[in-house]
Amino acid sequence: DTEVTQTPKHLVMGMTNKKSLKCEQHMGHRAMYWYKQKAKKPPELMFVYSYEKLSINESVPSRFSPECPNSSLLNLHLHALQPEDSALYLCASRGVSGATNEKLFFGSGTQLSVL
Amino acid sequence: AQSVTQPDIHITVSEGASLELRCNYSYGATPYLFWYVQSPGQGLQLLLKYFSGDTLVQGIKGFEAEFKRSQSSFNLRKPSVHWSDAAEYFCAVGMYSSASKIIFGSGTRLSIRP
Repeated sequence: DTEVTQTPKHLVMGMTNKKSLKCEQHMGHRAMYWYKQKAKKPPELMFVYSYEKLSINESVPSRFSPECPNSSLLNLHLHALQPEDSALYLCASRGVSGATNEKLFFGSGTQLSVL
Repeated sequence: AQSVTQPDIHITVSEGASLELRCNYSYGATPYLFWYVQSPGQGLQLLLKYFSGDTLVQGIKGFEAEFKRSQSSFNLRKPSVHWSDAAEYFCAVGMYSSASKIIFGSGTRLSIRP
């Protein structure tokens, strides 16, 4: 299994809603990432988890709350988002056992629209 | 700080023509270098990567890239493009560490002329 699975594929939410994005991989990767991608822009790093611990937070607003409950799962909890948070949210994973594992495996993303 | 620059925002080539997409990086040591491709509304797929060794790297779908340390470049090439190659292409640079950042360039959109 060489897939990163993200659910849901599409999400529409109001500014007062609470929702969660889910990411799952079963490749034994110990680093997992959240990226945000606006239309016609490159992915921007949000968070990195390494061995289930948050290792990088790129000064992301607190309305985005990541969680890594185990080595296969990564969640992104959303609360009180703004319309400008509408974007494609990409999850990725990567092994940390050596140079040959530096490839990022990406999920197909969750397209989020905030109304 | 590491950075990566893709100077071409949009390139159009004819089907069957050759392709070169430019990428320049800034990093204090030899970085990991990648090329990813993204179709609309999809995640990114790795085309090829460079870590060390042979500076000419072969990837999937007939793509290759050449690492030139003297020019801090990692340009992507394909001898003959197909209509299915139309997509967004991202060059990326990563650092050697267990929880490394992998930073993406701004991307080059490739259009194919029939």
